[in-house]
Amino acid sequence: DIQMTQSPSSLSASVGDRVTITCRASQSISTSLNWYQQKTGKAPKLLIYAASSLQSGVPSRFSGSGSGTDFALTISSLRPEDFATYYCQQSYSTPPLFGPGTTVDVK
Amino acid sequence: QVQLQQWGAGLLKPSETLSLTCDVYGASFNGYYWSWIRQPPGKGLEWIGEVNHIGSTNYNPSLKSRVTMSVHTSRNQISLNLSSVTAADTAVYYCARHYSAYGMGWLNYFDYWGQGTLVTVSS
Repeated sequence: DIQMTQSPSSLSASVGDRVTITCRASQSISTSLNWYQQKTGKAPKLLIYAASSLQSGVPSRFSGSGSGTDFALTISSLRPEDFATYYCQQSYSTPPLFGPGTTVDVK
Repeated sequence: QVQLQQWGAGLLKPSETLSLTCDVYGASFNGYYWSWIRQPPGKGLEWIGEVNHIGSTNYNPSLKSRVTMSVHTSRNQISLNLSSVTAADTAVYYCARHYSAYGMGWLNYFDYWGQGTLVTVSS
């Protein structure tokens, strides 16, 4: 199985900050990488698919980049509703594994 | 608007069988795989498996021996059975639509999710 790691595991930030979360795959997955946001008690929500494509309805302050083994999710200017946990997920092979998550909380 | 509504028993004893159902509204049921994903309390997401409208399945090898997924096309409904549960199976279980298409390469992602069902296994 392809293993996924994320860093950092958590970070503290303020509204207006630029935030970057990284995800690394144990082998090349091309651009088969998705990002999800999960708020407490809610189902995950798709933000980015195919490494850099913004899902319909997702604000443009979210962006994704990367290919091969190294990927990043960037929030250009953090808003109050963005405090949540973020997961990457590889869609290159079955089973589709998720990263361990990165929690963004209030500084 | 696509909606997935799931239901099933929330409290089980060890060795019992977990059974959950997910109703799909507002979307074509055919042409997609429908997945089950779980999340133990305070932990990450684990894909359990998926089923499509003709009953073809793919399961996570780590759970394959205990998992059965089925489909009821006339009701736009999928079901999950997980046998011989233990405390390690305590989790929130989600159903989700697996979108798959070929554009500039294959696109695969989970775009619609159910509300989640907490299943607790305790004696």
